[in-house]
Amino acid sequence: EIVLTQSPGTLSLSPGERATLSCRASQSVRSSYLAWYQQKPGQAPRLLIYGASSRATGISDRFSGSGSGTDFTLTISRLEPEDVAVYYCQHYGSSPSFGQGTKLEIK
Amino acid sequence: EVQLVESGGGVVRPGGSLRLSCVVSGFTFDDYAMSWVRQAPGKGLEWVSGINWKGDSTNYADSVKGRFTISRDNAKRSLYLQMNSLRAEDTALYHCARIPNQYSTGWWYFDYWGQGTLVTVSS
Repeated sequence: EIVLTQSPGTLSLSPGERATLSCRASQSVRSSYLAWYQQKPGQAPRLLIYGASSRATGISDRFSGSGSGTDFTLTISRLEPEDVAVYYCQHYGSSPSFGQGTKLEIK
Repeated sequence: EVQLVESGGGVVRPGGSLRLSCVVSGFTFDDYAMSWVRQAPGKGLEWVSGINWKGDSTNYADSVKGRFTISRDNAKRSLYLQMNSLRAEDTALYHCARIPNQYSTGWWYFDYWGQGTLVTVSS
């Protein structure tokens, strides 16, 4: 089973800044089968990124994904108050697992 | 608009059973595989089970294998999860989720999610 570790646990930034969220896998994720989700309080998760770097339908270009192998990054540029959420990474292609999440706060 | 609406959650004693349902709209149901993903209160996400578009191939997390059964009725645009021998650690919000890969049995990403139905296992 691939274990995903996200860092930091909590990120507190100001509007307009850039957020960099990390997801590290315990073993190489084949074919960059890595997705990112946003979950706002009281809402269902929403797919942001799949295939490590492909944006899902309707997702703002402020969200971008990168990485391969064991190290992946979600970058959110020009932070807005509406970006407050918990962000999860997920690998697929074998029994899926999720990271524990990064909570993004806006000052 | 894609919609997934779960129902069937509730409070059940350890060892009991519950059947969850998920009714979908806004897309052609049998063009997609489907999954259940759960979230314990205040915790992260855990994949539970998946089923291909036809319903003849399924997959389960080790934590539920032998206790849970996933199924679907394409005519009714519905996904189900039969949960038996429930344990306290099964307490969670259960989401149904769409898989944009017709032939997958759950080992994929999820492009639409329902709001979930809460299952509480407690004596």
